[in-house]
Amino acid sequence: AQKITQTQPGMFVQEKEAVTLDCTYDTSDPSYGLFWYKQPSSGEMIFLIYQGSYDQQNATEGRYSLNFQKARKSANLVISASQLGDSAMYFCAMREDTGRRALTFGSGTRLQVQP
Amino acid sequence: SAVISQKPSRDICQRGTSLTIQCQVDSQVTMMFWYRQQPGQSLTLIATANQGSEATYESGFVIDKFPISRPNLTFSTLTVSNMSPEDSSIYLCSALWTAATNEKLFFGSGTQLSVL
Repeated sequence: AQKITQTQPGMFVQEKEAVTLDCTYDTSDPSYGLFWYKQPSSGEMIFLIYQGSYDQQNATEGRYSLNFQKARKSANLVISASQLGDSAMYFCAMREDTGRRALTFGSGTRLQVQP
Repeated sequence: SAVISQKPSRDICQRGTSLTIQCQVDSQVTMMFWYRQQPGQSLTLIATANQGSEATYESGFVIDKFPISRPNLTFSTLTVSNMSPEDSSIYLCSALWTAATNEKLFFGSGTQLSVL
């Protein structure tokens, strides 16, 4: 079964608008971490934001915020005031605290910001 | 945080040969991993590089094909052995940095491998 699901293969957003990228996850581990990464066409993986399962507040990093709904097992990324440079692939990932502790990645969402 | 240097950045190799990819982290990290990203795909974990012991491989990946070393906390290598065109991918080294209330998994810039 998929542990990380990103149901939007592609998204479009107008410059300066906000956009939400969806991510749902599946785990029975009570302790885990959720991550979002950006991969531009250059191929590098850029860390955006982290949310721990026990964190009471949603994580924020500049224009990025994570809408964490634990009961629904969702960890959506919200990008505010989109910029042309935000056009890239975005990956959601999860790390479970038991076991190997490596990240499992979703299939990704390609975001295109239009002027 | 951590900065990861990975080399080579790209290579074109002949079928049947082997390539070793190096990964150097500028600070001590708890864990290091190797991922593969096939064209147009997401990242797939190959193995966890364990310091001073054998790597822990994921299903579908074996030590004979992808031998991994991690002699100390800041350095690891991945070898792609007896290559075939199916091994053409981006290979990424990563390192887990942990603080009190935060974690980050940093990535190297990747090795773009093409096998002819």
